[in-house]
Amino acid sequence: GAGVSQTPSNKVTEKGKYVELRCDPISGHTALYWYRQSLGQGPEFLIYFQGTGAADDSGLPNDRFFAVRPEGSVSTLKIQRTERGDSAVYLCASSFSSGSVADTQYFGPGTRLTVL
Amino acid sequence: AQSVTQLGSHVSVSEGALVLLRCNYSSSVPPYLFWYVQYPNQGLQLLLKYTSAATLVKGINGFEAEFKKSETSFHLTKPSAHMSDAAEYFCAVRGNTGGFKTIFGAGTRLFVKA
Repeated sequence: GAGVSQTPSNKVTEKGKYVELRCDPISGHTALYWYRQSLGQGPEFLIYFQGTGAADDSGLPNDRFFAVRPEGSVSTLKIQRTERGDSAVYLCASSFSSGSVADTQYFGPGTRLTVL
Repeated sequence: AQSVTQLGSHVSVSEGALVLLRCNYSSSVPPYLFWYVQYPNQGLQLLLKYTSAATLVKGINGFEAEFKKSETSFHLTKPSAHMSDAAEYFCAVRGNTGGFKTIFGAGTRLFVKA
């Protein structure tokens, strides 16, 4: 079956612009995660959805970052007033949540965001 | 707070040699531990995970890891390296206090020499 997909694969924008990054999870997966991976670093947790609601958004760095998942499937990560420091690969993952923290997460290929 | 430390940002081994990638964790409660591999231009793929069922965990592609509570370690090993093992490897921790948040280490890039 299809894995997690993310669009676009690459996004170049100018400082101060608004961007949206999309994640299509594996069908039937109720849990969805966003991570940010800067060059030479491991993924950094941003937000976790269980269904339509954000169960944990403690990783969002500031109020310029926002994510939604209105129908419990596709999710969009929105970044306002982008800054050069936002440049990174944004990863999405999903899991078939059984309620266990040991659930396996399946990762998408990521969106590489470059802010000029 | 939970954290993960991967010792060595780069590891180089010869083909056929033992692979040992080190990971130490910090957690106030029994953790769940994971190893992921990331090939160039591909997403993270789960190699194996520790969920307290057994201390020696076997994963895909011949990798295994041993949970040692006394050493707070979860090192990844493979008896014989293959050229196709060259990739970035990440250790990660998740535990009850962090909910579903996963904390990743900085990663170790494995080079395999012919």
